[in-house]
Amino acid sequence: NAGVTQTPKFRVLKTGQSMTLLCAQDMNHEYMYWYRQDPGMGLRLIHYSVGEGTTAKGEVPDGYNVSRLKKQNFLLGLESAAPSQTSVYFCASSYGGWVQPQHFGDGTRLSIL
Amino acid sequence: GQQVMQIPQYQHVQEGEDFTTYCNSSTTLSNIQWYKQRPGGHPVFLIQLVKSGEVKKQKRLTFQFGEAKKNSSLHITATQTIDVGTYFCAGQAGGTSYGKLTFGQGTILTVHP
Repeated sequence: NAGVTQTPKFRVLKTGQSMTLLCAQDMNHEYMYWYRQDPGMGLRLIHYSVGEGTTAKGEVPDGYNVSRLKKQNFLLGLESAAPSQTSVYFCASSYGGWVQPQHFGDGTRLSIL
Repeated sequence: GQQVMQIPQYQHVQEGEDFTTYCNSSTTLSNIQWYKQRPGGHPVFLIQLVKSGEVKKQKRLTFQFGEAKKNSSLHITATQTIDVGTYFCAGQAGGTSYGKLTFGQGTILTVHP
């Protein structure tokens, strides 16, 4: 099993460009999450999904959109990238919700120039 | 909203010394999870504490959950170079099993051989 797979691993964008980060999990998990990690800030929740077809806002949702059309995939979109969105993005999944351990992907390092 | 504070932010130790990181929540927690992130890696689940006053051990690691379920600690005995990384606590708000998980800022541990 691959677990949680994120693509791409690295990306450089110019301000104003758009892109989509892909997350796929093969563990049949219901819950999926997108976090951003910045120095000294820990992991901050951007958006999450409690099941196929559902999404909800986390702590820092502004500037991002998400979609969960299939249970195994959770997409994070940046409509108009800004330098403040330079960060490392982690996708995670869990079987039964917040009380269950989260399994993280390897991360996407995103730089906005 | 719920806040989870973690101290210290950095800890440098000599190999063989002990290490402790502390996690404090502004609200009562239903459970707390601990994760480890190796340099350049992704967070990996270590353990979950649920009961008031609970103590769990994993080899040289000892995890405690406070009596009031508002704080927790991770203690490593006789650190080794393999312990290098960032340790995160993540607390779920009490009162419901559906409360979001909030991560602390993390403690970065370096071990000098």
